[in-house]
Amino acid sequence: EVQLAESGGGLMRPGGSLTLSCTASGFTFNDAWMSWVRQAPGKGLEWVGRIKSKTKGGTTDYAAPVRGRFTISRDDSQNTLYLQMRRLKTEDTGVYYCTINTGYSSSWFDPWGQGTLVAVSS
Amino acid sequence: EVVLTQSPGTLSLSPGERATLSCRASQRINSDYLAWYQQKPGQAPRLLIYAASSRATGIPDRFSGGGSGTHFTLTISRLEPEDIAVYYCQQYDSRGFTFGPGTKVDIK
Repeated sequence: EVQLAESGGGLMRPGGSLTLSCTASGFTFNDAWMSWVRQAPGKGLEWVGRIKSKTKGGTTDYAAPVRGRFTISRDDSQNTLYLQMRRLKTEDTGVYYCTINTGYSSSWFDPWGQGTLVAVSS
Repeated sequence: EVVLTQSPGTLSLSPGERATLSCRASQRINSDYLAWYQQKPGQAPRLLIYAASSRATGIPDRFSGGGSGTHFTLTISRLEPEDIAVYYCQQYDSRGFTFGPGTKVDIK
């Protein structure tokens, strides 16, 4: 069974840094393209960024609101995905989900982890 | 960036009724890259439909997707109480991924 487990969320001050982790099991992690998607309290879903598999270059893409502040990385030996968040803003508050990019051109997300909550407040 | 608009914002129906949810794109999109998700309260989203009209594994056949170009639909043929959720459409293009704002489905 595919499982994704996020961790590392917490309460942060604006301007701070935080790194989230997503531990994966039940599939060949090193072949997977992975994304982070977030959801502000009571709001909809927002894609944060994606990392390709190392065999496809391991390159990353980010949504405009986080580009230059967030970095996605992966440790295939540990089956773990990371999201390093810097210069946090109050609008970064929300539940952060890791998910597998799958399908045609890896264009949809399945499955999703249960998420980890990040709260940014002064 | 492709903007997705969903309507209605909220849909209140009785069990057994048919629900039709709409997703409109600000520009033409590739149907292969259009998906729908269901998010129940307190849960992570779940993939329902991919490539506009294909059901994901384990999804009941009362859920169906359709459409092309700039207009896509998700239909629940006979609403069940466990279908109470918010439903999101999502698309992918060269600039990334975008989601619609969601349609909340309530049981009347």
